[in-house]
Amino acid sequence: DAKTTQPNSMESNEEEPVHLPCNHSTISGTDYIHWYRQLPSQGPEYVIHGLTSNVNNRMASLAIAEDRKSSTLILHRATLRDAAVYYCILLYGNKLVFGAGTILRVKS
Amino acid sequence: NAGVTQTPKFQVLKTGQSMTLQCAQDMNHNSMYWYRQDPGMGLRLIYYSASEGTTDKGEVPNGYNVSRLNKREFSLRLESAAPSQTSVYFCASIWGTNTGELFFGEGSRLTVL
Repeated sequence: DAKTTQPNSMESNEEEPVHLPCNHSTISGTDYIHWYRQLPSQGPEYVIHGLTSNVNNRMASLAIAEDRKSSTLILHRATLRDAAVYYCILLYGNKLVFGAGTILRVKS
Repeated sequence: NAGVTQTPKFQVLKTGQSMTLQCAQDMNHNSMYWYRQDPGMGLRLIYYSASEGTTDKGEVPNGYNVSRLNKREFSLRLESAAPSQTSVYFCASIWGTNTGELFFGEGSRLTVL
């Protein structure tokens, strides 16, 4: 299984941008990079995904390195509601394994 | 659309009892998954089903069995519950793993005394 590595935790101030890194040095050419987040006492929810190009949606942006061995989830203006565990996973094949994720704390 | 529906949402068992967690999705998804999440921990894959009629072990399959009854339904059975199986269980489904979004149910909180 292709592995991802994320920092255990990060802290941000409210209304400032947040850059959440993910390393995936063993990624293969057809692995999609997905990000999910889990709010307290809830199931995980989809945030964004991409293959090679940078991606934007209403929730976040995903910046993918040219060699695809790392990516960064960008929350443009963190709010208190963005405090959650963020998971970076690679999707190819059917065995979807989550890592420990990054706990994001947002300070007011 | 209901999405992914799990039942029951809460259950208390005594050690040695058996039970089945039910999961159904109405999105015509091909692949379905069962995860467990212990307090303060990440999700661990128990079993998955890539398509109707197939099931495979995940990271922590011991003590569990699964059935992919049809394309919609994927059940998780505990034959003889143990306190170590106290956890929150999440079912998830996806249309295609190379592009699709993984949809999760709300979770089933199981306590084994």
